[in-house]
Amino acid sequence: GESVGLHLPTLSVQEGDNSIINCAYSNSASDYFIWYKQESGKGPQFIIDIRSNMDKRQGQRVTVLLNKTVKHLSLQIAATQPGDSAVYFCAETLDTGRRALTFGSGTRLQVQP
Amino acid sequence: SAVISQKPSRDICQRGTSLTIQCQVDSQVTMMFWYRQQPGQSLTLIATANQGSEATYESGFVIDKFPISRPNLTFSTLTVSNMSPEDSSIYLCSVYNSPSSYEQYFGPGTRLTVT
Repeated sequence: GESVGLHLPTLSVQEGDNSIINCAYSNSASDYFIWYKQESGKGPQFIIDIRSNMDKRQGQRVTVLLNKTVKHLSLQIAATQPGDSAVYFCAETLDTGRRALTFGSGTRLQVQP
Repeated sequence: SAVISQKPSRDICQRGTSLTIQCQVDSQVTMMFWYRQQPGQSLTLIATANQGSEATYESGFVIDKFPISRPNLTFSTLTVSNMSPEDSSIYLCSVYNSPSSYEQYFGPGTRLTVT
């Protein structure tokens, strides 16, 4: 099997429930925050992003919340489906220069049918 | 969206040898990024590769160990030199879809095992 997510914290939810994945970011100066989904054997896939001057952004079945006071980011997935099972990473970047990403530690989401 | 391919997809190598990983993008991009993902871990940026200039390496990564080439705007290579078992990781390249975008696209990765 693939090693992605083996040693990461795991969130286990029932299909149809809502999931909340949390992330503590490191740089209070970061301008942009992004959530990625990584399935076994694949590269990370962009889910949703949020600029630092916002505190909430919604997409299709996903919502990202940003709390700059405590440097906390969360990803909410509504009506979680088995296809949502993956490892989720938050990432941050500055709005200058290379815009290289700094990734958080990741959470493995397991959806029970 | 950018489509990225990597070769090889996986390899098993002996310690002391070197492996060159190729990254091909279906569109021209200014910057390409190389990441390492150690088993069960998150992604760590190795370096940023611009066409026509030396790559910019992150703290803890050096050119002698991870030489990078960027011969044109759609292609880059990363070499893992003088490998040891600690180099066993997934190596990924990525690009931004446009200069103003924050949506970074990743290749499928190269899974390297060093024995």
